[in-house]
Amino acid sequence: DVKVTQSSRYLVKRTGEKVFLECVQDMDHENMFWYRQDPGLGLRLIYFSYDVKMKEKGDIPEGYSVSREKKERFSLILESASTNQTSMYLCASSLFPKTDTQYFGPGTRLTVL
Amino acid sequence: QKEVEQNSGPLSVPEGAIASLNCTYSDRGSQSFFWYRQYSGKSPELIMFIYSNGDKEDGRFTAQLNKASQYVSLLIRDSQPSDSATYLCAVIKTGGFKTIFGAGTRLFVKA
Repeated sequence: DVKVTQSSRYLVKRTGEKVFLECVQDMDHENMFWYRQDPGLGLRLIYFSYDVKMKEKGDIPEGYSVSREKKERFSLILESASTNQTSMYLCASSLFPKTDTQYFGPGTRLTVL
Repeated sequence: QKEVEQNSGPLSVPEGAIASLNCTYSDRGSQSFFWYRQYSGKSPELIMFIYSNGDKEDGRFTAQLNKASQYVSLLIRDSQPSDSATYLCAVIKTGGFKTIFGAGTRLFVKA
């Protein structure tokens, strides 16, 4: 079974802090994704990566950056956390981009005070 | 217009009935279509995918795709209380890579 893990289930940070969310997958998947999920808005893509050191902006990249130094690890960075970044953050991975399913991690509930 | 639209629900059906979940998408060139189930407090998990027009059956689940109408549906036969969850429709747009998710439909199956 594919396993996608995320570094924290719950996180509380203060406005202006730099926040790191980490995601690790163990199935040698090429593609990794970061989403945020908010009530009524569904899942929105922040960034994705289709190879090591490669990244592409999703629909809402502002205020975020990512890092993929190793194939299995994809990090999401909030450069200066703000209250409107309070959300559920979900990491996912997939083997092929166009036809394959995405496997999700358990999510990180981030609260920015 | 949202790229992937779903009725937010809640959709309530009695146990044993057929639940019908619907989804429309805006990009006519979309090529891959998925249904994910998300239990409260959990992350989404894949139920079915469909690439071609027509029906695809897997156990109690049937996915239906009509590309001309830009419409995807999920039928759940013999609904069980354990099917109560939010169902997310997802579409991979023309060009691949990006998956667009609908906001989800909440389903309640009453025992």
